[in-house]
Amino acid sequence: GESVGLHLPTLSVQEGDNSIINCAYSNSASDYFIWYKQESGKGPQFIIDIRSNMDKRQGQRVTVLLNKTVKHLSLQIAATQPGDSAVYFCAENIGGYSTLTFGKGTMLLVSP
Amino acid sequence: GAGVSQSPSNKVTEKGKDVELRCDPISGHTALYWYRQSLGQGLEFLIYFQGNSAPDKSGLPSDRFSAERTGGSVSTLTIQRTQQEDSAVYLCASSRVQEVSGNTIYFGEGSWLTVV
Repeated sequence: GESVGLHLPTLSVQEGDNSIINCAYSNSASDYFIWYKQESGKGPQFIIDIRSNMDKRQGQRVTVLLNKTVKHLSLQIAATQPGDSAVYFCAENIGGYSTLTFGKGTMLLVSP
Repeated sequence: GAGVSQSPSNKVTEKGKDVELRCDPISGHTALYWYRQSLGQGLEFLIYFQGNSAPDKSGLPSDRFSAERTGGSVSTLTIQRTQQEDSAVYLCASSRVQEVSGNTIYFGEGSWLTVV
């Protein structure tokens, strides 16, 4: 079936580097996308979202890019900090009234 | 409490036994979700409650799984005759609004279930 997937299961970076986490989705009907951060032993926490009528959205130190042509989503974290170490999930939604479909996640490891 | 509360936080059970997992959503939240997260995997949708509407049970993996939401608040996820493949973290989330929006869906810390 159609699903959301991630290219890199683990990403290791140095503190201060910029990090890019990628996500591919296959359901062209998806119109809303969310990035979540999950720290060990905790539930997912909302980071940033984007709707399909946009191709870029910026938050504090984070930017989400959406390329609908190739069905690709990315999360960019600027000046990565050790506290950013976690698993990052992308999730997709259709129409706003259904549930979220999550990808498998990427582990981000930030070394001091 | 201020957040979504789940209990127990950890549960070890023997294969074949029934388990109940509880979720207390944030007060006033009408939407409630159950997800399952296996080790190293993403979140798998199980069931969705919205107000007084019939729940969306399309994600329940088998008839051993069931969930209730009494009084529009607390929800219980029941797994009957547990199997080892049921071992996972069961996450509950709630939202005040019906429309899915990332910054309005709050997750609990999950119930870790281990079936031995």
